Amino acid sequence: GNSVTQMEGPVTLSEEAFLTINCTYTATGYPSLFWYVQYPGEGLQLLLKATKADDKGSNKGFEATYRKETTSFHLEKGSVQVSDSAVYFCALSGSGGYQKVTFGTGTKLQVIP
Amino acid sequence: DSGVTQTPKHLITATGQRVTLRCSPRSGDLSVYWYQQSLDQGLQFLIQYYNGEERAKGNILERFSAQQFPDLHSELNLSSLELGDSALYFCASSVFASGGAETQYFGPGTRLLVL
Repeated sequence: GNSVTQMEGPVTLSEEAFLTINCTYTATGYPSLFWYVQYPGEGLQLLLKATKADDKGSNKGFEATYRKETTSFHLEKGSVQVSDSAVYFCALSGSGGYQKVTFGTGTKLQVIP
Repeated sequence: DSGVTQTPKHLITATGQRVTLRCSPRSGDLSVYWYQQSLDQGLQFLIQYYNGEERAKGNILERFSAQQFPDLHSELNLSSLELGDSALYFCASSVFASGGAETQYFGPGTRLLVL
């Protein structure tokens, strides 16, 4: 079945540091890939998505590129802010007909001033 | 604000009891999804309804059931509660039922504590 593996947290960075959160996946065919973010006390929000190989999703300074050859969708940001402190979830939805979304375990990011 | 509302925000109950969680989707969304988020199991998909009909089932226990009403709001019923059912329960909604690349919009969640 489909699965998502993301790096364990917590990840602690200083403000303006470069962020990478690794995500790899297992799926047949051509899944759609997502990053969701969960701020403290809130539900998940879609951060960005990519629906085919080599697509780059981007939003709020965050980027992730769909790499089919390495089955990866790593999240990056050039300069993090304290307000980026949250839990980040990598997710995928399989191809072909209806497919539910499979989430990774989440990576907690803490940005310190 | 995603436009998805969930009530109640917090719920404290005892083992063996039954509770009902309520979700109102975004205006215009026909699909409702229920998820359970716990420390040990992460975010688990429970069940999806589309326009009143069950569309997909995930890791939902037999003690749990859900339904979607004609006005499209949904309720998740949890019965014979156990300590291990303590978790955050999220509802999400989307326009269609295609899963796939469709964006899901999450509510703020209901935190259930079983004592």
